Amino acid sequence: DQQVKQNSPSLSVQEGRISILNCDYTNSMFDYFLWYKKYPAEGPTFLISISSIKDKNEDGRFTVFLNKSAKHLSLHIVPSQPGDSAVYFCAASATSNYQLIWGAGTKLIIKP
Amino acid sequence: EAGVAQSPRYKIIEKRQSVAFWCNPISGHATLYWYQQILGQGPKLLIQFQNNGVVDDSQLPKDRFSAERLKGVDSTLKIQPAKLEDSAVYLCASSLSTGRSEQFFGPGTRLTVL
Repeated sequence: DQQVKQNSPSLSVQEGRISILNCDYTNSMFDYFLWYKKYPAEGPTFLISISSIKDKNEDGRFTVFLNKSAKHLSLHIVPSQPGDSAVYFCAASATSNYQLIWGAGTKLIIKP
Repeated sequence: EAGVAQSPRYKIIEKRQSVAFWCNPISGHATLYWYQQILGQGPKLLIQFQNNGVVDDSQLPKDRFSAERLKGVDSTLKIQPAKLEDSAVYLCASSLSTGRSEQFFGPGTRLTVL
């Protein structure tokens, strides 16, 4: 039972354009959401998070949008740069135990 | 500041053999996590320690997996005996405390069971 789903295994975007990565969740108890970035042979690194009391959080080129009614969040990267090529994981947690539940990841490829 | 250290980076074993992984968290981080990441999936929490006590081991297959953090600093994860389905990357992470404290990950150990 996948509680966090990233339905696109990969995404290819032209350098300088917007990258949009999507994530859906099924557990209505989730109230905190995170995006992690992972380069090959390295561990994931935290990128940006959002609490369920907000619908948008912005940090530089990265913006996360949360649509609670649709149980959907997205990560926007503008403009996309070659260094953004990585696997992006969406994760969620609930206040009940704070355990992170992860999606399967989306591999983002930025084309020159 | 040094990051989370893990060793070995790669390990290949035969099924039914034993294997152990080591993790040294960031200095001062009280909480330590072990995750299993199977190819094509996201990380799955195996066990969480707060200092040297276990906070959550509900998803640890206790018939074959064990973990300890005796002095509340570094930790070892052991598999005995290994099965083919244990082939995965084992990630260690640490955070200052529990709750929503940011988790910092090591590079992982890639285990292949033949």
